[in-house]
Amino acid sequence: KNEVEQSPQNLTAQEGEFITINCSYSVGISALHWLQQHPGGGIVSLFMLSSGKKKHGRLIATINIQEKHSSLHITASHPRDSAVYICAANSSPNTGNQFYFGTGTSLTVIP
Amino acid sequence: NAGVTQTPKFRILKIGQSMTLQCTQDMNHNYMYWYRQDPGMGLKLIYYSVGAGITDKGEVPNGYNVSRSTTEDFPLRLELAAPSQTSVYFCASSYKVDYGYTFGSGTRLTVV
Repeated sequence: KNEVEQSPQNLTAQEGEFITINCSYSVGISALHWLQQHPGGGIVSLFMLSSGKKKHGRLIATINIQEKHSSLHITASHPRDSAVYICAANSSPNTGNQFYFGTGTSLTVIP
Repeated sequence: NAGVTQTPKFRILKIGQSMTLQCTQDMNHNYMYWYRQDPGMGLKLIYYSVGAGITDKGEVPNGYNVSRSTTEDFPLRLELAAPSQTSVYFCASSYKVDYGYTFGSGTRLTVV
């Protein structure tokens, strides 16, 4: 069993839909990261959170430490949101060498 | 501000050849990391560094070496390339461990 599990693996949405991607982890963490990987391969760090909720534009990330669960929400989805979204749990607060990565959720937003 | 720069973007190696993947960051980040990403798999940590002169192994270090002579540069060396090293390699850096990470654009390496 992977330390970080994401669902769904693949997601297709119509433009404008509200999207939720889920991440569950089984390790103790100091922080959880959400990354975005575009079809060209580049990876962008979206959020780092250790509690509560963060918002950036149309993106919202939440985490429930007790339940070991995080969600990434996209409001008013747009075709340019099409990408792979990766959840990563950091269980090494001093060095960052214990990152557990999910295998990603591939999102396609159709116009 | 260039961020994290990786070179080359693509490379084809023959079995047994060697090469160095370059990674440079201009953000004065202490922490630097090398990951590999295999198809359908999550990122795996190869090596990391918490500062100039300090490096340590990650999850999958075999077949690789690194050095960190300056804060800016963190090259990854492949000796005796093998087909199992065919992958996409990402370099990343961060100011502190639980700050946002900046990734390079990746190097797609094929060993034939």
